[in-house]
Amino acid sequence: AQKITQTQPGMFVQEKEAVTLDCTYDTSDPSYGLFWYKQPSSGEMIFLIYQGSYDQQNATEGRYSLNFQKARKSANLVISASQLGDSAMYFCAMREGSGAGSYQLTFGKGTKLSVIP
Amino acid sequence: NAGVMQNPRHLVRRRGQEARLRCSPMKGHSHVYWYRQLPEEGLKFMVYLQKENIIDESGMPKERFSAEFPKEGPSILRIQQVVRGDSAAYFCASSPLVVRRNTEAFFGQGTRLTVV
Repeated sequence: AQKITQTQPGMFVQEKEAVTLDCTYDTSDPSYGLFWYKQPSSGEMIFLIYQGSYDQQNATEGRYSLNFQKARKSANLVISASQLGDSAMYFCAMREGSGAGSYQLTFGKGTKLSVIP
Repeated sequence: NAGVMQNPRHLVRRRGQEARLRCSPMKGHSHVYWYRQLPEEGLKFMVYLQKENIIDESGMPKERFSAEFPKEGPSILRIQQVVRGDSAAYFCASSPLVVRRNTEAFFGQGTRLTVV
């Protein structure tokens, strides 16, 4: 089974509107972390936001927020007030466990977001 | 993150040649992780190295691929006798300590390997 599922291959959003990118995950480990990365056309991986499995509140970083629904195993990224520069691939990733062996990130296949002027 | 330096950014190799990809971690980081991104896919873990040690190479193909992180100098991902299926973006990440659950992985800009 896929550990990270991003069901939206592509999304369009009007400039200045909000958009939600979906991410569901699968793990039996009670301790895990969820990450979102942005990959623009230039190719680099840019860290956006992190949510820990024990965090009580949803993470926020500027225009990015994470809608964390633990029971549903979903960690959707919400981008408010979209800008043209937000056009990029967005990847959801998970790191399981909290011990010394928990270093691997598992990525979803990504969602391509296009912001329309 | 600009602190992790990968070179070259783009590499073209003919089938059967060798590819060498370099990764200089952020200053003070002694742990390096290599990931591969095939076209239209997310990143997949390949190998985790500390200085002079391979800690986990469970994601590395069994043949033709090797990685090292010497005491001095960058980490090297080496692909021998490249084939078209090796065409991908290869990313390096680094950390100062063993990465914990909430530790951000700082990625380099990647090397895009094209095998012709």
